[in-house]
Formats: sequence, structure tokens, C-alpha cells
Amino acid sequence: GENVEQHPSTLSVQEGDSAVIKCTYSDSASNYFPWYKQELGKGPQLIIDIRSNVGEKKDQRIAVTLNKTAKHFSLHITETQPEDSAVYFCAASATFDTGNQFYFGTGTSLTVIP
Amino acid sequence: DAGITQSPRHKVTETGTPVTLRCHQTENHRYMYWYRQDPGHGLRLIHYSYGVKDTDKGEVSDGYSVSRSKTEDFLLTLESATSSQTSVYFCAISEHTIPVLTFGAGSRLTVL
Repeated sequence: GENVEQHPSTLSVQEGDSAVIKCTYSDSASNYFPWYKQELGKGPQLIIDIRSNVGEKKDQRIAVTLNKTAKHFSLHITETQPEDSAVYFCAASATFDTGNQFYFGTGTSLTVIP
Repeated sequence: DAGITQSPRHKVTETGTPVTLRCHQTENHRYMYWYRQDPGHGLRLIHYSYGVKDTDKGEVSDGYSVSRSKTEDFLLTLESATSSQTSVYFCAISEHTIPVLTFGAGSRLTVL
């Protein structure tokens, strides 16, 4: 099955700096790569996603890049703010007859220091 | 968490007792999932459903069973809870044509 690795496990940045979280995946059948943000005591919330036919996607201060050849994808947050502090999860998804299967990384705890 | 309700949100139980967690959705999505979240392990799939009465195992299914008798409800049962099943359990839903996974608020289970 799919194996998703995520680094780093913890990340601290000064407010206004950029943060980068990297993930690798193993299964070339994966074709959809979402990123989730989880705040304390809540369920993960989708913040951005990218499909395998796209190399980069941006949404205001957040961007995701995908390198299919190398099987890695990254989340970039620019101009970080204290409210960006949370745990971020990457995931890789493939489509099967019985639906979409999602495999998650182990998470990155991001702290933005004011 | 709009459209997905998990119950109970918190439960403390003793080893050996049965436990059932309920996930209810109002989105009429075809696919439903149960994940557990543990420190250092991220989110791991327990079981999923691809339709009424259609379910399959995930990567950590031992000790768990599921049932889906209606589109809107997906139940996760621990027949005899163990301390290793202490965790936060998340239900999620998705549609085939739009593979976005939407999560519930989670159910925190403590097995003493």
C-alpha cells in the first residue's frame, strides 16, 4: 500500500517568515494530494489540494507544489501569522473501484512566534 | 464540521466492555470512513464504507467492526475494548467525483 512520509514533525518560525512542509509518497497510482490543518480539539480541515496533472497551486498565502517524478509534494506558507499555528497533515489519495483511499503523513506541528 | 455529527464526543470505559461510536451525515455522500489519530502515527484508516451494507477493512482494523444500514449512518464498534484502543476517532465522508475528505469533530475514547 501507499506510504506517506512527512517532515519536519515540528516547525517553529517567526511571524512573517515562510514555512515549508515536505511529504513523499510511494505509490505512483496516487493522483490527488490534499493538505489539512488541524487546530486543537477539532477535526482536520482541508486548506489546499493538488491533482497529479498540476505542478503548483496557490491560494493567497498558501501554495502547494508537486513533483510526480520524484514523488514528493510540499506546502508553502508565506507571511506566517500566529493563527497559522496548528498541526498540518499531508495526504496522498488514489481512486479504486470501491472509492478513494487516503493515506496520511504523521503531521507537522507548526508554531508561529509573534 | 457541517453535515457530520459524531457521538459521543467523549467516552471513558473499562477494558473488556463494548463500545459503539456513531457517525451521522446529512450530505448524502456515498463514502464514509473511520480513522484513529494517535501521536506519532497521524491518521490511520480503520474501516470504510462505499455504500449501504458495503464496507471494507483499512490498515488498523483488528478489534473493530463497522456497520452501515443507512446512507447517513456509519457505526464503529469495539466488541471488547482494550487500552490500546484509547485514541481519538474521526469519521470522514467523501464523494467519488469530488475526492475531498471532510472530517467530523472527533470522538475521544479512553479505555481504562
